[in-house]
Amino acid sequence: SAVISQKPSRDICQRGTSLTIQCQVDSQVTMMFWYRQQPGQSLTLIATANQGSEATYESGFVIDKFPISRPNLTFSTLTVSNMSPEDSSIYLCSVEDLTGIGGELFFGEGSRLTVL
Amino acid sequence: DAKTTQPTSMDCAEGRAANLPCNHSTISGNEYVYWYRQIHSQGPQYIIHGLKNNETNEMASLIITEDRKSSTLILPHATLRDTAVYYCIVRVGGVLTGANSKLTFGKGITLSVRP
Repeated sequence: SAVISQKPSRDICQRGTSLTIQCQVDSQVTMMFWYRQQPGQSLTLIATANQGSEATYESGFVIDKFPISRPNLTFSTLTVSNMSPEDSSIYLCSVEDLTGIGGELFFGEGSRLTVL
Repeated sequence: DAKTTQPTSMDCAEGRAANLPCNHSTISGNEYVYWYRQIHSQGPQYIIHGLKNNETNEMASLIITEDRKSSTLILPHATLRDTAVYYCIVRVGGVLTGANSKLTFGKGITLSVRP
């Protein structure tokens, strides 16, 4: 199974600022996914990040608000731009296990963001 | 939208089997049934998945009905550490499916294991 490290694990930010979350995987993976989990809610997919191409965003999420980088097969960043209190959430990175027949996903521990 | 429906919550006694139901009446022939769980303040954890045959691993068993419209996750001997939100998800499986490999989470079922 893949080991996923996210930084920061938590942060408190001021309204109007931006924060970049890093996701590091211990093996090369093709697909990386970024999810958001608002307080008391389930997970919502923000975007899919492929190495060498622009990220594909889900409905309701735009690149200007959540720019994503994917410079290589083991690393990705998600930036939450111009933050407001509504962006207070846990942001999770996940990758697909290429060794599994069904391609299960593995998740990082998440980055808990609080916007004041 | 999630393609599955689950009860909101259930509980069971420690040491007993926990049977978590899931309905997926619109499942397609190439879609697998996946189960994940999320223990409080942690990232989701893969449990098991299956296509049409029953599956068992060290964590749980997955029973899929013959018509594939429903399934049950069985934790044979629940412990307090199994208290979590359990998500039943259907998706196309396989490593070559690209964007179809993304997971769409529903609300899940909250399992509370009592001493």
